[in-house]
Amino acid sequence: KAGVTQTPRYLIKTRGQQVTLSCSPISGHRSVSWYQQTPGQGLQFLFEYFSETQRNKGNFPGRFSGRQFSNSRSEMNVSTLELGDSALYLCASSPFSLASSYNEQFFGPGTRLTVL
Amino acid sequence: AQKITQTQPGMFVQEKEAVTLDCTYDTSDQSYGLFWYKQPSSGEMIFLIYQGSYDEQNATEGRYSLNFQKARKSANLVISASQLGDSAMYFCAGEDSNYQLIWGAGTKLIIKP
Repeated sequence: KAGVTQTPRYLIKTRGQQVTLSCSPISGHRSVSWYQQTPGQGLQFLFEYFSETQRNKGNFPGRFSGRQFSNSRSEMNVSTLELGDSALYLCASSPFSLASSYNEQFFGPGTRLTVL
Repeated sequence: AQKITQTQPGMFVQEKEAVTLDCTYDTSDQSYGLFWYKQPSSGEMIFLIYQGSYDEQNATEGRYSLNFQKARKSANLVISASQLGDSAMYFCAGEDSNYQLIWGAGTKLIIKP
């Protein structure tokens, strides 16, 4: 069974631009969560999508948005990029929504975004 | 606010020795879960083991086990017979009441040959 895939793996953008990251979950998984990982703030939850609906959202500005398609693939968009958005963005999939007890998440390799 | 504390920023351990990584969850919830993940230099998070607060037994998965102390809300990860491939960042995460994961700062483990 193929794991979680994320594209692209690396991305370089300049301030003010926007970026779209893609995540394909494990086949049959309906929940996709996004995380931001930086040396200073560590890992922080961005949002979760389940059955094309955003179920949960972390404490990030509205510049960060996402969506999920009917095949469970998810995209994350960051508009008006800032230097502080440079980070490793991790996507994780689960069979069920995170709002159920004990929900193991399977992570992708991440997209490393650098904002210049 | 809920918080995960991992007190060891880094550890050096001799190959084949056992290693214990600390994790404490500062939460007022009585029902919660604690997860451990491994992150090699490649960046991918790998799930290792889980402990629910109402689980009667300490969780074990192969060479990984948890020393769960309910009163302290801590779940220390024990890796037995460490191997060179165990060198990585190790993150503890706690599940909050909204089922979001609160992550610790991580421990960088280096296994010496």
